[in-house]
Amino acid sequence: KAGVTQTPRYLIKTRGQQVTLSCSPISGHRSVSWYQQTPGQGLQFLFEYFSETQRNKGNFPGRFSGRQFSNSRSEMNVSTLELGDSALYLCASSLVTLAGERDTQYFGPGTRLTVL
Amino acid sequence: KQEVTQIPAALSVPEGENLVLNCSFTDSAIYNLQWFRQDPGKGLTSLLLIQSSQREQTSGRLNASLDKSSGRSTLYIAASQPGDSATYLCAAINTGTASKLTFGTGTRLQVTL
Repeated sequence: KAGVTQTPRYLIKTRGQQVTLSCSPISGHRSVSWYQQTPGQGLQFLFEYFSETQRNKGNFPGRFSGRQFSNSRSEMNVSTLELGDSALYLCASSLVTLAGERDTQYFGPGTRLTVL
Repeated sequence: KQEVTQIPAALSVPEGENLVLNCSFTDSAIYNLQWFRQDPGKGLTSLLLIQSSQREQTSGRLNASLDKSSGRSTLYIAASQPGDSATYLCAAINTGTASKLTFGTGTRLQVTL
């Protein structure tokens, strides 16, 4: 079974631009979560999508948004990029039980975003 | 608000040594705790997941324990190898119906020949 895939793997943008990152979960996984990893703040939760709806949201400004498609693939968008948005963006997918409980999260390789 | 701490931040051991990595969390009402490994510039690899009702989980040379009452988890690595060199992260999840993981800052492990 293929793992979580993320595209692109590397991205360079300039301040003020916007960017869209893509994540394809493991087949059958309907929950997709996004995390930002920086040397200073470590790994921080951005948001989770399940059944095309945002279920949880971390403490990030509204410039960070996302969506999920009917095939569970998810995209994350960052508008008006700032230098501080430079980070490794990771997505993770997991199975969801009938009771709504999340199983082990499996992470993709990440997208390295550099903002100049 | 859940806070997760990992000590030490870095550790260097000779090959073959057994070692323990520590993880502390402030809110004992966790749903489960997961240990990950991260190689430089790469994503996270899930190692072990311990449900709140469990006390430990084992996979090969790895053993993770969970003590909710003291707010601690440990990852035991037996007979360490150079290939074990990586950053190890623990993460707590407080609600079973939400996927938000709260991560520790990690322990960077180096196993020397």
